[in-house]
Amino acid sequence: EIQLLESGGGLVQPGGSLRLSCAASGFTFSSYAMTWVRQAPGKGLEWVSVISGSAGSTYYADSVKGRFTISSDNSKNTLYLQMNSLRAEDTAVYYCAKAGRGGSYYLWDYFDYWGQGTLVTVSS
Amino acid sequence: SYELTQPPSVSVSPGQTARITCSGDALPKKYAYWYQQKSGQAPVLVIYEDSKRPSGIPERFSGSSSGTLATLTISAAQVEDEADYYCYSTDSSGNQGVFGGGTQLTVL
Repeated sequence: EIQLLESGGGLVQPGGSLRLSCAASGFTFSSYAMTWVRQAPGKGLEWVSVISGSAGSTYYADSVKGRFTISSDNSKNTLYLQMNSLRAEDTAVYYCAKAGRGGSYYLWDYFDYWGQGTLVTVSS
Repeated sequence: SYELTQPPSVSVSPGQTARITCSGDALPKKYAYWYQQKSGQAPVLVIYEDSKRPSGIPERFSGSSSGTLATLTISAAQVEDEADYYCYSTDSSGNQGVFGGGTQLTVL
């Protein structure tokens, strides 16, 4: 059974940092691109960042570029999102999502499995 | 930055056809994907690569794309189809993903 379990969310002050984790199981983690998607309270989905299975390619939304870093540890089957210089507008539920098909060609593939999300609140 | 535009809301009666559109300049060259999100739940894929339906998704869900417009069609919509629907695609350079603003479907 494929499972994605996010952790690391919480309350942080503006300008602070937080690292989110997404523990994956039930599939060959290193073969699939992984993506972070966030959703502000009462708002729509926002694509944040993607990393290839080999971790050789990463891309970011303009809204987080230079502040967030996506990474993965294939030995631990875990995806990370390091978030620095946090702002109030970063407040959201953060989901990790798995690409539907493996391989480097499917970096931008659909998402077939999502985690339950972890809430990040940026407030003083 | 690249944007996908959806109507904020669509309302139909049970048994009617619901159509949700998604407009974007890169759609002639990039696939559209559609996700359904019910309150308090993670999104679920209902259409991928413009018109393909994942296993387990009812046949009443279909998708199409022409030019800069992608369309999700729900034939004979049911009350259980009430949800927010999001289109997803990538920008023309293939460097960023983007979701549409979402459409709230009401079936009553």
